[in-house]
Amino acid sequence: DGGITQSPKYLFRKEGQNVTLSCEQNLNHDAMYWYRQDPGQGLRLIYYSQIVNDFQKGDIAEGYSVSREKKESFPLTVTSAQKNPTAFYLCASRPGQGFQPQHFGDGTRLSIL
Amino acid sequence: GQQLNQSPQSMFIQEGEDVSMNCTSSSIFNTWLWYKQDPGEGPVLLIALYKAGELTSNGRLTAQFGITRKDSFLNISASIPSDVGIYFCAGHMGAQKLVFGQGTRLTINP
Repeated sequence: DGGITQSPKYLFRKEGQNVTLSCEQNLNHDAMYWYRQDPGQGLRLIYYSQIVNDFQKGDIAEGYSVSREKKESFPLTVTSAQKNPTAFYLCASRPGQGFQPQHFGDGTRLSIL
Repeated sequence: GQQLNQSPQSMFIQEGEDVSMNCTSSSIFNTWLWYKQDPGEGPVLLIALYKAGELTSNGRLTAQFGITRKDSFLNISASIPSDVGIYFCAGHMGAQKLVFGQGTRLTINP
């Protein structure tokens, strides 16, 4: 089945700890994205990557880091510098050409212990 | 960042009623997209609009790309219980980044 897989579904972080959220796609999409969603709000862009080994900051990149070593993988690390990490995190991907829409994974819910 | 104004924020309707929601912006968009999100899941694409004036249907859903390229609406006809969820509009300004509305939460009374 082609799609976007996010793992884990639920993640708990202790104070001062870095955690990494996984996002894998087998759609052969060039571009990948990470969003944060808080209750009752829309999606805010954290980072995006248009091609392998390249990525750009979104609107709320502080306290987060990413890598894009492989086309199919775009992991997000929530660092200890992110003081309010509790949120629903969504990964998306799309073909790199034109204005093709983004397609989303099922999300990871991160909570603080 | 750029904002899309989506309204209404929430709707409470009876099963079988029609639904209408819209998004507006002060900026011009190249595409308009409508997504639906169920609780604890990722958004799912419902309709994509690529040209000003375009009117597109997907089953009981109909969406239009406004002539001015600054607005779009989504209509749902004869609502059913599985239509419950949060509906988001989104628009491309440049090709790489989407701007999202705040969402419309739809609740249906049986």
